Amino acid sequence: GAVVSQHPSRVICKSGTSVKIECRSLDFQATTMFWYRQFPKQSLMLMATSNEGSKATYEQGVEKDKFLINHASLTLSTLTVTSAHPEDSSFYICSAVGSGGGFGKLFFGSGTQLSVL
Amino acid sequence: AQSVTQPDIHITVSEGASLELRCNYSYGATPYLFWYVQSPGQGLQLLLKYFSGDTLVQGIKGFEAEFKRSQSSFNLRKPSVHWSDAAEYFCAVGAQGGSEKLVFGKGTKLTVNP
Repeated sequence: GAVVSQHPSRVICKSGTSVKIECRSLDFQATTMFWYRQFPKQSLMLMATSNEGSKATYEQGVEKDKFLINHASLTLSTLTVTSAHPEDSSFYICSAVGSGGGFGKLFFGSGTQLSVL
Repeated sequence: AQSVTQPDIHITVSEGASLELRCNYSYGATPYLFWYVQSPGQGLQLLLKYFSGDTLVQGIKGFEAEFKRSQSSFNLRKPSVHWSDAAEYFCAVGAQGGSEKLVFGKGTKLTVNP
């Protein structure tokens, strides 16, 4: 099946630094990618929708200047957590939609655990 | 707006016992419904999905789910649980005709006793 890779799988950083998380579709082109955040023992909450070549659409309450999303190619979307603070510690996971769209072409990445000290 | 309720936060079953995880959704039309499983620190693995047609859906690892429109439910079942099934299970709903974003339930943690 289709593979979505996230890198890094785990990152620890100091408060105030920025962290970049990559989401790659390895064997298909993804015009749309989604970024979710999962707090400990909580559900996944959609943060933003990333479309190749255009600005991301953020969900209500998500700070777009805090969570920068870039979808520069059909196989790569990046999420940058700027000036990270301990409250940004979370599990971040992306999903990607293959060409033609539809839920049948939706695949999730393996996630990134961010810990901010 | 769509919403998903998983009433059980934590379920414990014995290995070999049957399992049913509950999921209720709220959506104005026929939704797309999904069950995902997540092992600790891992991503999501799709167990099964319902788009249309037969309301009893077979998935991977011996799981099945039944869509019941009258009850707005999509419960996940397995006749005999294995120790390796211990994980977190998420029910999710997607809207037809829109983007492929999902709304997830809060999850049910499954513990399997030997």
